[in-house]
Amino acid sequence: AQTVTQSQPEMSVQEAETVTLSCTYDTSESNYYLFWYKQPPSRQMILVIRQEAYKQQNATENRFSVNFQKAAKSFSLKISDSQLGDTAMYFCAFMIYQGGSEKLVFGKGTKLTVNP
Amino acid sequence: DTGVSQDPRHKITKRGQNVTFRCDPISEHNRLYWYRQTLGQGPEFLTYFQNEAQLEKSRLLSDRFSAERPKGSFSTLEIQRTEQGDSAMYLCASSSPGAGNTIYFGEGSWLTVV
Repeated sequence: AQTVTQSQPEMSVQEAETVTLSCTYDTSESNYYLFWYKQPPSRQMILVIRQEAYKQQNATENRFSVNFQKAAKSFSLKISDSQLGDTAMYFCAFMIYQGGSEKLVFGKGTKLTVNP
Repeated sequence: DTGVSQDPRHKITKRGQNVTFRCDPISEHNRLYWYRQTLGQGPEFLTYFQNEAQLEKSRLLSDRFSAERPKGSFSTLEIQRTEQGDSAMYLCASSSPGAGNTIYFGEGSWLTVV
């Protein structure tokens, strides 16, 4: 089964501090892409960061970085220097390629609140 | 580039009525996806188009649901004989090989069936 598990339904952090969101996934594929998406209260899903499974180096985008552990099938997101605008739902997802088709499989999300 | 556009943004309909949503992907994106999202859940895959070909359709898409992408550009998602369980946000997304396998989402179309 292709699944994504986000074990933290809600988290909160103080402004300027660091927070880590957890994600584990299950797939039998050897090559895939992993993503973190952010969905603010306005509801549009925005890409935060992506990681190719064949790359060992962890992806980084400004204040956002991932800890990708392929053997453990773990893909956590670290947000440094948290800002009020980071308040949102965060979804972990991976891309499946099967039989000419492709799709993202999402976790249930983590609601992150950044407190002033 | 104006991003993925969806219309209408909100729709309230009576049970049993038909509704249609439209999606305009980012220009030159040949891949288009529909997802459904209910409150407190992550998006669930509904269907995938590459150009005008519908390559995958989820089991979530009952025979009351149909999606088309007639010229490989915009797409429509129609729900016939709506039920209260169809109330959700319907998300459209698009991508292209040149976008590095990144999928870009629209703002979604909220459906409420009363």
